Amino acid sequence: DAGVTQSPTHLIKTRGQQVTLRCSPKSGHDTVSWYQQALGQGPQFIFQYYEEEERQRGNFPDRFSGHQFPNYSSELNVNALLLGDSALYLCASSVFPEDTSEQYFGPGTRLTVT
Amino acid sequence: GENVEQHPSTLSVQEGDSAVIKCTYSDSASNYFPWYKQELGKRPQLIIDIRSNVGEKKDQRIAVTLNKTAKHFSLHITETQPEDSAVYFCAATQTGTASKLTFGTGTRLQVTL
Repeated sequence: DAGVTQSPTHLIKTRGQQVTLRCSPKSGHDTVSWYQQALGQGPQFIFQYYEEEERQRGNFPDRFSGHQFPNYSSELNVNALLLGDSALYLCASSVFPEDTSEQYFGPGTRLTVT
Repeated sequence: GENVEQHPSTLSVQEGDSAVIKCTYSDSASNYFPWYKQELGKRPQLIIDIRSNVGEKKDQRIAVTLNKTAKHFSLHITETQPEDSAVYFCAATQTGTASKLTFGTGTRLQVTL
């Protein structure tokens, strides 16, 4: 039973560039949430996708966008990268409607913006 | 929105001692409180959780208590071992509403020999 997977593991980008991160949920899960974890901080909620729609969004600018595919996998896109976007991006999967709300995290993608 | 505060930010204990980490939350609608352990460079892993209809839950050396009236919950680790060294995060959410986890700022636990 595969857990949550993310790609790539590490990424280095330049300010102003665009980046796409990918996530495959745990088998049997249909909901994907994305979190940003800055160094030394707790994860911050970016948004959540279910049935290919954004269901809830945290306090992040429109430069952050996402997509969910029919197979439940998801992408996170960040445009016009800023130095402050450097962080670990975590994907978490769960089952909707979340009677248990247990969210399982992937290993993350470490994004460095120079 | 929900706000979760976590204390202490760092905690150093000797092997075999107990460790306690405390969190408070602001939204009375929150009803699910998980705790995650994150080792350096690794993913957060769920170690225990508690729901608002329960006051205490225990799993071997780990226990969590919840006081709904005071809006605080705590993680207790007994007989600490070096492998318990990690960063621990508390979180809160309201289930069934496309719930997002709101995390505390983390506690770095160091268990020394």
